[in-house]
Amino acid sequence: GENVEQHPSTLSVQEGDSAVIKCTYSDSASNYFPWYKQELGKRPQLIIDIRSNVGEKKDQRIAVTLNKTAKHFSLHITETQPEDSAVYFCAASSGAGANNLFFGTGTRLTVIP
Amino acid sequence: SAVISQKPSRDICQRGTSLTIQCQVDSQVTMMFWYRQQPGQSLTLIATANQGSEATYESGFVIDKFPISRPNLTFSTLTVSNMSPEDSSIYLCSVASSGDTEAFFGQGTRLTVV
Repeated sequence: GENVEQHPSTLSVQEGDSAVIKCTYSDSASNYFPWYKQELGKRPQLIIDIRSNVGEKKDQRIAVTLNKTAKHFSLHITETQPEDSAVYFCAASSGAGANNLFFGTGTRLTVIP
Repeated sequence: SAVISQKPSRDICQRGTSLTIQCQVDSQVTMMFWYRQQPGQSLTLIATANQGSEATYESGFVIDKFPISRPNLTFSTLTVSNMSPEDSSIYLCSVASSGDTEAFFGQGTRLTVV
């Protein structure tokens, strides 16, 4: 099955700085890569996703890049704000869409005001 | 977006007993999944709930321990059988529709086994 690794496990940044989280995957058949944000005690919520036929996708302060050859993808958050503080999970799926997702180990992001 | 209702939201159970968790969606969905999230950890896929047929289990999870039902396109149950303290975790239902790339999660069931 798919194995997704995620780094770093914790990340602290000053408000306004950028944050980068990186993930690698093992299954070359994986073609869908979402990122979820989970606040304490709440359900995971999708913040951005990318398909394997796209190298980069951006949504306001959030961007995701994908290197299919190297089998890694990254989340970039610019101009971080305290409300960005949460645990972020990357995931990979080989289904047609958001099929069975295999998650990374998570990154606890803390934005220091 | 799909609205998912999961019940119960939390429970404390005695070891050796079983608990059935329900997942109800407000619209028909193609895919339903069950995940486990241990405190402070990542989400691990338990199984895919298939309508009208046996669930598809991931490595390390078996039907005898985690029987799953999915009688229709809006409802599924996960049973945690013969529980031990190691089963203490949050169990989450997730749904997705074909052609829809987003997977939605229920609020989770926090299970404590004593």
